[in-house]
Amino acid sequence: GDSVTQMEGPVTLSEEAFLTINCTYTATGYPSLFWYVQYPGEGLQLLLKATKADDKGSNKGFEATYRKETTSFHLEKGSVQVSDSAVYFCALRPNQAGTALIFGKGTTLSVSS
Amino acid sequence: DAGVIQSPRHEVTEMGQEVTLRCKPISGHDYLFWYRQTMMRGLELLIYFNNNVPIDDSGMPEDRFSAKMPNASFSTLKIQPSEPRDSAVYFCASSSTLTGGYTFGSGTRLTVV
Repeated sequence: GDSVTQMEGPVTLSEEAFLTINCTYTATGYPSLFWYVQYPGEGLQLLLKATKADDKGSNKGFEATYRKETTSFHLEKGSVQVSDSAVYFCALRPNQAGTALIFGKGTTLSVSS
Repeated sequence: DAGVIQSPRHEVTEMGQEVTLRCKPISGHDYLFWYRQTMMRGLELLIYFNNNVPIDDSGMPEDRFSAKMPNASFSTLKIQPSEPRDSAVYFCASSSTLTGGYTFGSGTRLTVV
């Protein structure tokens, strides 16, 4: 079945460092891909998305490119801030309309000043 | 819009008791999802509804769990009897076929002692 694999954390960085969180997926057809962020004590919030190959999603300085050839959707940010500390989830939605999101296990990011 | 509203935020109950979690989706959203989050298993989809009709309940762990959606603005997830291994954060999310985006509630943290 469809699945998402993302790098295990925690990821610990200093402020202004470069961030990469790897995400790869297994799916039939052409799924939509998402990154969600979860701050402590809160629900998940959509960070960015891409719906077709070579699309780049971006938001708040974060970017991810839908790479069908490598089945990847890695999350990047050029300069992280302490406020970026959170859990990040990669997810896919199979190409059938209305199907539920499938999430990776999440990667905890901790940024220190 | 107030977003997806879940209640209660925290629930502590004794083993064997019945627990009912509640969710009010965003008005106009036609999909509603229940997820469970634990450290060991990450985010697991329990069940989801389309236009108040259950579509896929294959993630419901066992017969002790049941979910209903009597109308477009309300859903419940019930556990009877509860067990310590049910301790987790339970999230409700809703989405629209038109926009495709998910909105998560803040979750209910359930502790069964």
